[in-house]
Amino acid sequence: AQSVAQPEDQVNVAEGNPLTVKCTYSVSGNPYLFWYVQYPNRGLQFLLKYITGDNLVKGSYGFEAEFNKSQTSFHLKKPSALVSDSALYFCAVRDHYGNNRLAFGKGNQVVVIP
Amino acid sequence: NAGVTQTPKFQVLKTGQSMTLQCAQDMNHNSMYWYRQDPGMGLRLIYYSASEGTTDKGEVPNGYNVSRLNKREFSLRLESAAPSQTSVYFCASTGDTTYEQYFGPGTRLTVT
Repeated sequence: AQSVAQPEDQVNVAEGNPLTVKCTYSVSGNPYLFWYVQYPNRGLQFLLKYITGDNLVKGSYGFEAEFNKSQTSFHLKKPSALVSDSALYFCAVRDHYGNNRLAFGKGNQVVVIP
Repeated sequence: NAGVTQTPKFQVLKTGQSMTLQCAQDMNHNSMYWYRQDPGMGLRLIYYSASEGTTDKGEVPNGYNVSRLNKREFSLRLESAAPSQTSVYFCASTGDTTYEQYFGPGTRLTVT
């Protein structure tokens, strides 16, 4: 069964500093990987995905993520954090065997300090 | 194009009462999902439907039933609500080639 680990409950970062949110996964075969963001009292919004191809994928709002197969990781990054990036971030994975089910991590609360 | 819509936004139930959460999508997606979100536990899949007329249990199906009414609509029913079902419920959908899921705004349910 597929699973995701997000090891840190909360990430604090000063505005303007680089932001990294960590994610490791476990899945049979090649993974499909996703990042979502959730603002307070809202649904999840899709940020970016890795399906195949270039290991560095770019997404919405200046976010990017790097797929590392040997470390089974898919860390989310942003070069310069904004206060408005403060939110809950979820990593998710599915396998490529035609199963459309996603496994989500527990989420990371990101707090950007002005 | 509204995406995924859910009703109601908020609901308070007494233990033992029943209710149905409604979800609809206008993206012509085949697959639809119901999740619950609890603090520190991420999103857990309750039920999903890979296509019209099919439904399957997810990770936490006990106490819930679903109906895939047509391609657009997927409802979640609580027959006899329990305090353990206090949660935020999200509906999502995905197409066969898009892979990412699109989420509704959620229903915040409190069972007293």
